[in-house]
Amino acid sequence: AQSVAQPEDQVNVAEGNPLTVKCTYSVSGNPYLFWYVQYPNRGLQFLLKYITGDNLVKGSYGFEAEFNKSQTSFHLKKPSALVSDSALYFCAVREANAGNNRKLIWGLGTSLAVNP
Amino acid sequence: DGGITQSPKYLFRKEGQNVTLSCEQNLNHDAMYWYRQDPGQGLRLIYYSQIVNDFQKGDIAEGYSVSREKKESFPLTVTSAQKNPTAFYLCASTKTGELFFGEGSRLTVL
Repeated sequence: AQSVAQPEDQVNVAEGNPLTVKCTYSVSGNPYLFWYVQYPNRGLQFLLKYITGDNLVKGSYGFEAEFNKSQTSFHLKKPSALVSDSALYFCAVREANAGNNRKLIWGLGTSLAVNP
Repeated sequence: DGGITQSPKYLFRKEGQNVTLSCEQNLNHDAMYWYRQDPGQGLRLIYYSQIVNDFQKGDIAEGYSVSREKKESFPLTVTSAQKNPTAFYLCASTKTGELFFGEGSRLTVL
């Protein structure tokens, strides 16, 4: 069965320090992987995606993510955290050859708190 | 500017009443989605539509209905049959894979 796991409900990091938000997945074929961010009482915003190619993907607001096929992981990273990065982060996956079934499988989210 | 507009942002209803949430997009996207978000449960898919006049049930369709008469519009009706309708509802659309979301509608049943 397809699934996404975000093993940490909450991540705390000091401003200026690097941050990592973890995501592991399980799909039967090749994955399309996504990260989204949600600020309180707002919709989700797309950050970045991995479809194919370079395993290191760069996205919005200085975020990047590394696709690791052997570990089935797609961890979100940022070299230097900002207080304004504090939000809820979601990882999502779908199978590359899903055809007309474009349903995403979502993680439960990780709350990131960046402390000044 | 292009985007997705959801309305209303906040809605209160009494038990037994149906309510319709609006979702309009001007991105020329073919596919549209409705999600429900509850604390600690992530996003759960209610309905989705890949093309006009066609839609499919998601994982939690019971107590909800949709229509897709126009490409731009995908309204969601929360019926009285939905046992626990209080939630944050999110509409999204896509053309190439990544989803674009509206700002959400928070429904509270009194």
